[in-house]
Amino acid sequence: GENVEQHPSTLSVQEGDSAVIKCTYSDSASNYFPWYKQELGKRPQLIIDIRSNVGEKKDQRIAVTLNKTAKHFSLHITETQPEDSAVYFCAADTGRRALTFGSGTRLQVQP
Amino acid sequence: DARVTQTPRHKVTEMGQEVTMRCQPILGHNTVFWYRQTMMQGLELLAYFRNRAPLDDSGMPKDRFSAEMPDATLATLKIQPSEPRDSAVYFCASGLVLGQGFTGELFFGEGSRLTVL
Repeated sequence: GENVEQHPSTLSVQEGDSAVIKCTYSDSASNYFPWYKQELGKRPQLIIDIRSNVGEKKDQRIAVTLNKTAKHFSLHITETQPEDSAVYFCAADTGRRALTFGSGTRLQVQP
Repeated sequence: DARVTQTPRHKVTEMGQEVTMRCQPILGHNTVFWYRQTMMQGLELLAYFRNRAPLDDSGMPKDRFSAEMPDATLATLKIQPSEPRDSAVYFCASGLVLGQGFTGELFFGEGSRLTVL
């Protein structure tokens, strides 16, 4: 089945700096790669997603890049703010159209 | 405002007791997932349904866990008998998945926090 690896597990940055989280996947049939943000005690919520026919997608301070050849995708957050502090999960769809999630990255933005 | 509804939000029970968690997916979504999360760890897929048919429950301990979808508005996850290691947050999520894959966002419920003593 699909295996999604996510790095780093924790990330601390200063407010205003950029943060990058990287994921790799194993199933070459995967074609949908969402990123979810989970605040403490809350449900995961989608922040951005990308499909396999696109190499990059941006939404304000958030961007995602995809390299299908290398089977990796990354989340980039620019001009980080304290409210960006949360756990971020990458995911990839499997050949049977379920989502396999990475292990999560705890991002801490220091004011 | 469409949302996935889960009950109960919190459940404390003793080892050996039966636990049933319920989920109402978003109307029009054809795929329902059950995920388990422990101590802010990753989201572990337990089982999922498409058009109410079970597609994969290989992530569940079969001897004690069961998942069903008796109708389009209700999915259930049952643990019998429960054990302390089952303590976790159980999330239900729903989405619309067609032939080419996910057509949009996977929406999560608020989760059911289970504590087994």
